[in-house]
Amino acid sequence: DAGITQSPRHKVTETGTPVTLRCHQTENHRYMYWYRQDPGHGLRLIHYSYGVKDTDKGEVSDGYSVSRSKTEDFLLTLESATSSQTSVYFCAISESLGLGRTNTEAFFGQGTRLTVV
Amino acid sequence: AQSVAQPEDQVNVAEGNPLTVKCTYSVSGNPYLFWYVQYPNRGLQFLLKYITGDNLVKGSYGFEAEFNKSQTSFHLKKPSALVSDSALYFCAVRDDNYGQNFVFGPGTRLSVLP
Repeated sequence: DAGITQSPRHKVTETGTPVTLRCHQTENHRYMYWYRQDPGHGLRLIHYSYGVKDTDKGEVSDGYSVSRSKTEDFLLTLESATSSQTSVYFCAISESLGLGRTNTEAFFGQGTRLTVV
Repeated sequence: AQSVAQPEDQVNVAEGNPLTVKCTYSVSGNPYLFWYVQYPNRGLQFLLKYITGDNLVKGSYGFEAEFNKSQTSFHLKKPSALVSDSALYFCAVRDDNYGQNFVFGPGTRLSVLP
């Protein structure tokens, strides 16, 4: 398994509280991603990073922010959690696409199950 | 923008029979195509990928996929299904013209019946 650790693995929090999820990699991959998985929607991209301090929004970024101060860590913050953010969150990593590169797939962490009550 | 469709929410197949899980895609640049499998309460596991070259790609656990550029499809196949293949399968595309992000289909639940 690729060296990706998500913490915490499970969390229950109250509406309106801030929550931070952490993704840590030991693979030195350039790209890191946060997805949420909900029934009927598959995986939807929240935010991604293409380098230290380089981040951009995905398709469902409202209510979320991210930070990447080191290559190995990518943090996802829910500024004020809402019940609609109850979901399973996955972190993924990948190398860049490029001429001759074959290592193009994403590797996933084990997920964080977040419940907002 | 890139997109992925998996037209079947659920596929049922008898053990020992061949299985096919369908995927079609849309990209603006060169398609990099992937299949992942997810078992209950687990992360996604990489099965196989198409980058370039042969249209038939072989992957883990006896799975293979056929890339068809004219039909923009990348169907997952296995000649003989096992009960242990029962899981949720995701097709994904990575577009080198779209921030190198991965876009996933909604998933297909495969049930292999003994």
